[in-house]
Amino acid sequence: DVKVTQSSRYLVKRTGEKVFLECVQDMDHENMFWYRQDPGLGLRLIYFSYDVKMKEKGDIPEGYSVSREKKERFSLILESASTNQTSMYLCASTRPPPQGLEQFFGPGTRLTVL
Amino acid sequence: QKEVEQNSGPLSVPEGAIASLNCTYSDRGSQSFFWYRQYSGKSPELIMFIYSNGDKEDGRFTAQLNKASQYVSLLIRDSQPSDSATYLCAVKGSSNTGKLIFGQGTTLQVKP
Repeated sequence: DVKVTQSSRYLVKRTGEKVFLECVQDMDHENMFWYRQDPGLGLRLIYFSYDVKMKEKGDIPEGYSVSREKKERFSLILESASTNQTSMYLCASTRPPPQGLEQFFGPGTRLTVL
Repeated sequence: QKEVEQNSGPLSVPEGAIASLNCTYSDRGSQSFFWYRQYSGKSPELIMFIYSNGDKEDGRFTAQLNKASQYVSLLIRDSQPSDSATYLCAVKGSSNTGKLIFGQGTTLQVKP
């Protein structure tokens, strides 16, 4: 079974703090993704990575950065957390096309920024 | 225009009925189409994917694709209360990154 794990299910941080969200997958997938999900807005792509040390901006990268030092681990960093970054954060992984079909999701991290 | 559009619902159907969920997309070069189910508080899980025009059936679920109309749908036959969830349509575009574009999701309520 593919397994994608995220470091925390719930996280509460204060405005201005630096926040690290970690994602680990055990299926040797090349591609990894970070999304945020908000009511009425669906899943929005923040960043994705198609190889170690490679990254590309998604649709809403502002206020975020990422790190991929090892194939299995993809970290999302909020440099200075703000209240508008309160959201559900989902990590996903897949093989690249044409093999990659399904994106496998982690359980999500619900982040609250006070 | 959003790249992938779904009616947010809620769509309410009685138990045993057919639920029909619809999705339109804007990129004519889109290649693959996915339906994910997401229960409240959980992460999305894949139900079906479809590449070719026409219908694809898997148990009670049928995905339908019409590339000319840029339209993909999901039919759920004999709906059960356990089908109550949000259904996300996702489209893989013409890029080679595996990136998916998600619709906002349709909430389905199946009433006993």
